[in-house]
Amino acid sequence: NAGVTQTPKFQVLKTGQSMTLQCAQDMNHEYMSWYRQDPGMGLRLIHYSVGAGITDQGEVPNGYNVSRSTTEDFPLRLLSAAPSQTSVYFCASSPVTGTGDYGYTFGSGTRLTVV
Amino acid sequence: ILNVEQSPQSLHVQEGDSTNFTCSFPSSNFYALHWYRWETAKSPEALFVMTLNGDEKKKGRISATLNTKEGYSYLYIKGSQPEDSATYLCARNTGNQFYFGTGTSLTVIP
Repeated sequence: NAGVTQTPKFQVLKTGQSMTLQCAQDMNHEYMSWYRQDPGMGLRLIHYSVGAGITDQGEVPNGYNVSRSTTEDFPLRLLSAAPSQTSVYFCASSPVTGTGDYGYTFGSGTRLTVV
Repeated sequence: ILNVEQSPQSLHVQEGDSTNFTCSFPSSNFYALHWYRWETAKSPEALFVMTLNGDEKKKGRISATLNTKEGYSYLYIKGSQPEDSATYLCARNTGNQFYFGTGTSLTVIP
């Protein structure tokens, strides 16, 4: 099993450009989420989804959009990139939602630099 | 307040020493507490998921305890080895959202 696959691994964008970070999982997990990781800060939740067709905002959703048209895929879209969005982005999934009885499976991360 | 706090921020121990870290969190609206191990250049990997007050989990030389009433969890490593060097994250689950601490960075010196 591939687990959680994120692409690309590295990306450099110019301010104002848009792009989509891809995330796919093959474990039939209901719950998927996107985090950003910045120096000196913990992983911060951007958006999450509890199942196909359902998404919701996390702590830091501004400047990002998500959709969940299938169980497997959960892309993160940057609408107009800003230098403040320079970060490492992680996608994570979990079998079920709500009680948090299951740990996350994380993707390998995407390092994004906005210049 | 949803903040999860971890201490110490970093730790250096000699090979063979035992050590422990602390994760503090608000005790209200608690669902679960997770511990993750994050090695450099890799992704975080789940160590433990704990849900009940008094829970104790163990995996090899690593163990964890949970006190939901006072809002803390301890992670213990017995007989530290160089391969234990990593950042250890805890995360509090409040339902559908996880709040992560900034981690404890452990370096085990051979």
